[in-house]
Formats: sequence, C-alpha cells, structure tokens
Amino acid sequence: AQSVSQHNHHVILSEAASLELGCNYSYGGTVNLFWYVQYPGQHLQLLLKYFSGDPLVKGIKGFEAEFIKSKFSFNLRKPSVQWSDTAEYFCAVRDRDDKIIFGKGTRLHILP
Amino acid sequence: GAGVSQSPSNKVTEKGKDVELRCDPISGHTALYWYRQSLGQGLEFLIYFQGNSAPDKSGLPSDRFSAERTGGSVSTLTIQRTQQEDSAVYLCASSARRGTGVFFVGTEAFFGQGTRLTVV
Repeated sequence: AQSVSQHNHHVILSEAASLELGCNYSYGGTVNLFWYVQYPGQHLQLLLKYFSGDPLVKGIKGFEAEFIKSKFSFNLRKPSVQWSDTAEYFCAVRDRDDKIIFGKGTRLHILP
Repeated sequence: GAGVSQSPSNKVTEKGKDVELRCDPISGHTALYWYRQSLGQGLEFLIYFQGNSAPDKSGLPSDRFSAERTGGSVSTLTIQRTQQEDSAVYLCASSARRGTGVFFVGTEAFFGQGTRLTVV
C-alpha cells in the first residue's frame, strides 16, 4: 500500500533561514502530490500541488516543491521563512485509485 | 454548498455510547475521505468513497467503526461503544476527478473544519 514519509517531525528555525522539508512516497506510477499547511487553530489548506509537467511547483506564500520521480520525493522549500510560517505541514499522495494518503506531518516553529 | 461541512463541531460523549459524525461534501465531488487527526499521529486515513462505494476500508481501526454514503453526497461515520482512545479530531474531505486512465487528474482534497470528539 502507498505510504508517505516525512523525515522531520519537528523543525525549529530563525526568521530568514531557508527551509527544506523532506517527503518520500513508497511507489510510483501516476500520482498527484500535495503539500498542505495547518496554522494553529485552523483547518487544513492547500499549499501547492503537482499533477504533471514542470516538476518544480510554485505555491502560495513563497513556497515551492520539486518532484523527483526517480527518488519518489516531493520536498518542500522556502528560501526565507517568516514567523507567520509557524504551522504544521503535511505531504500527501493521491494514487490512481483516488486514495489520498498523508504523512505524519512536520511541526515548524519559527523563532522571531 | 460552498465548502465541506461537518457536524457537530464538537462532541463530548460517555464511554460506551455510540456517536454519528456527519460530512456534507462539496456539490459534485465524487470522492469523499475520512481521516482521524490526533497529536503526533498526523492524518490517519480511515476510509474513502467513490460515489456511494467504499473501495478501501482498510484504515478503519476496528469493527466499532463504520461509514456510509448515500446519494453520492452526505456521509456518516459511526463509532459504536466509544472508547477513550477514540478521542481525536475527525476530518472529512472531498475531491473531484477529471479524465480517465493514465491521464487522470484529481483535484486536491478540500477539508471541512472537523469534529472534535472527546470520550469521557
């Protein structure tokens, strides 16, 4: 069965630092890939998504992710984080059966 | 409706009671998903529907959990004989699908605000 691994459970950074959150999924074929964010007290919202085409995907709030098919990876990046990026981030994979599986999430804490 | 709606927002129940959680997806979305979110566990997949059928029930934690979807729309997640370990936020999401075969494109999942279940 498809599974999603997020390598970092808790990340603490200072403002203006660069961010990379790892995400790997277990097997290939045609997949759709997503990153969601959950700000404190709010519900999940989409940050960015990959369906096909350019493997470098740009999302909201300056986030981007790169799909590397050979590595089954979809890492999230941001060149310079802000205090307001403090949140929990979830990677997700949708396979051809339409099942959407999430990783366990990464809690990101930005120090002002 | 405009978004995914879940009810109730909060539910406190006594151990051993049955509870029903409701999800009203975005109109026209064929896929509907249930997840459970608890601290440190991320989003645990429970079940999903394509139309009224549930192709994958593998995530249901025990036979006390069941779900149904009628008319390709509203879904109900039922937990019988609730236990304290069932306390969590139960999230529902819906999505659409375009295309077929290798060219399929599914939209992202749109989430409701969740139902916070507390078993005392």
